[in-house]
Amino acid sequence: GDSVTQMEGPVTLSEEAFLTINCTYTATGYPSLFWYVQYPGEGLQLLLKATKADDKGSNKGFEATYRKETTSFHLEKGSVQVSDSAVYFCALRGNNAGNMLTFGGGTRLMVKP
Amino acid sequence: EAQVTQNPRYLITVTGKKLTVTCSQNMNHEYMSWYRQDPGLGLRQIYYSMNVEVTDKGDVPEGYKVSRKEKRNFPLILESPSPNQTSLYFCASSWASGSLTDTQYFGPGTRLTVL
Repeated sequence: GDSVTQMEGPVTLSEEAFLTINCTYTATGYPSLFWYVQYPGEGLQLLLKATKADDKGSNKGFEATYRKETTSFHLEKGSVQVSDSAVYFCALRGNNAGNMLTFGGGTRLMVKP
Repeated sequence: EAQVTQNPRYLITVTGKKLTVTCSQNMNHEYMSWYRQDPGLGLRQIYYSMNVEVTDKGDVPEGYKVSRKEKRNFPLILESPSPNQTSLYFCASSWASGSLTDTQYFGPGTRLTVL
């Protein structure tokens, strides 16, 4: 079945540091890929998405590129802020999955001033 | 404001005492689902519904029931809760067009503790 693997956290960075959170997936066909963010005490919010190979999703300074050849969708940001502290989830929606999302385990990011 | 609401947000109960967690959305979405979130496991789908009176099992349905009598509501029922159902639960909704780009909108979560 489909699966998503994320780097384990927590990831601790200083403000203005560069962020990379790795995400790789296993799926048949051409899934859509998503990054969701969960701020403390809140539900999940869609951060960005990509629906086909080589697409780049971007939002709020975050970017991720759909790499079919490496089955990856790594999340990057050039300069993190304290307000980016949250848990980040990589997810995919497969061709035969209906609307079901398959999530990775989540990566907690802590940004220190 | 478009949103998914859940109630209660926090619940502490005892083993075997039936409970219901409500979920409601105001976006006229056909698709609704329930997930549980456990440390290191991400979110796993419990049940989903493609439309009124249409429900199906997700990855971890054991010990749960759902119903979809109205389009906007999708309650999660635990007939006899057990401690292994202690978790953070999320309701989500989206269009059911079949497009891979459909975005799911999540509720704020319900933290359940079963003693």
